[in-house]
Amino acid sequence: SQQGEEDPQALSIQEGENATMNCSYKTSINNLQWYRQNSGRGLVHLILIRSNEREKHSGRLRVTLDTSKKSSSLLITASRAADTASYFCATGSDRGSTLGRLYFGRGTQLTVWP
Amino acid sequence: NAGVTQTPKFQVLKTGQSMTLQCAQDMNHNSMYWYRQDPGMGLRLIYYSASEGTTDKGEVPNGYNVSRLNKREFSLRLESAAPSQTSVYFCASSYGTGGTYEQYFGPGTRLTVT
Repeated sequence: SQQGEEDPQALSIQEGENATMNCSYKTSINNLQWYRQNSGRGLVHLILIRSNEREKHSGRLRVTLDTSKKSSSLLITASRAADTASYFCATGSDRGSTLGRLYFGRGTQLTVWP
Repeated sequence: NAGVTQTPKFQVLKTGQSMTLQCAQDMNHNSMYWYRQDPGMGLRLIYYSASEGTTDKGEVPNGYNVSRLNKREFSLRLESAAPSQTSVYFCASSYGTGGTYEQYFGPGTRLTVT
């Protein structure tokens, strides 16, 4: 499958703690994206990291990409109750039959307790 | 800017009925997508349109048809609804093909087929 697979499936932490989610994939990619989905809502794009990048930051978010291990991680620092949501990784390729597509994983459900 | 809008928000159909889900974007994006989201399955691509005048099948196209009416609008039609099509449907758009660009999602249509 070309889907990314997130780990863990569910994560429960206290406010102020850091949350780390991982994503593994199987095929060659040219970028990897992370999205957030609040309950009952559409997905919102968080960050895109290209295959030639190793780390990217956006506010309290830090994403790493290791193409040799075909894996990525999303770190949310100093978590807040408002970060409670599902987080999805999506892999993109502009080659061959996968042209134009993003492949989404099944998501990590993050719960942040006040 | 409304972003990506979808109608209706909720729909209940009987097996065999037909319906069209409407999607429109006001961001002048070239590419548009239809996904379905089922519990524990993540998002699966049904059809996409890389640019006005083109459409392509995704992972799960059976039972669906699409029309890229113009640059703004991309509709999804269920000709003869089946209970297996009970799902949440999301429309998304992006400036270019999804492998390279972030996607913007609508709020979703929750469809139940009885």
